[in-house]
Amino acid sequence: GNSVTQMEGPVTLSEEAFLTINCTYTATGYPSLFWYVQYPGEGLQLLLKATKADDKGSNKGFEATYRKETTSFHLEKGSVQVSDSAVYFCALPPTDSWGKLQFGAGTQVVVTP
Amino acid sequence: ETGVTQTPRHLVMGMTNKKSLKCEQHLGHNAMYWYKQSAKKPLELMFVYNFKEQTENNSVPSRFSPECPNSSHLFLHLHTLQPEDSALYLCASSPQREGIDTQYFGPGTRLTVL
Repeated sequence: GNSVTQMEGPVTLSEEAFLTINCTYTATGYPSLFWYVQYPGEGLQLLLKATKADDKGSNKGFEATYRKETTSFHLEKGSVQVSDSAVYFCALPPTDSWGKLQFGAGTQVVVTP
Repeated sequence: ETGVTQTPRHLVMGMTNKKSLKCEQHLGHNAMYWYKQSAKKPLELMFVYNFKEQTENNSVPSRFSPECPNSSHLFLHLHTLQPEDSALYLCASSPQREGIDTQYFGPGTRLTVL
């Protein structure tokens, strides 16, 4: 079935640094791909998504490109802020109509001033 | 604000207490979910309801009892919990269960079992 693997954290970086969080997937066909973010003390919220190969999802300065050749959906931001400190989850839909949304383990990002 | 609210936000209870967590969604969705999020563990799906009917129970102990009186409300009744049940409990909803796509999460209830 569908599964997703993302890099472990925590990732600690300074404000204005470049951020990359790797995510690779195994899937049947070409499902939609998602990044969710969880800010401290909050639930998960959808950050961005891409619905087909070569699509680029973007939101709040973050981008991720759906690459079927490398089965990847890496999250990037060119200049992070302290407010970007959060846990980021890569996710993809289930294999069949009644399966579970598959979440990665989550990557904690800590941005220092 | 995602349109999914959870109460209480924080709960401390003893192992002999009975308490309930509440979730409400204002999005007109038909599917609702309970997740458990423990430190250093992947997100665990506990229960799924679709059109008020429970469609999934992922081997959750009976000390957790869900209830879905209508498509907008979801409860998680707790009794005789263990300290290892301390976690963040997240509620989520989606337009439907079949062909699941984006889920919308509430802020969670931080549960501490003493």
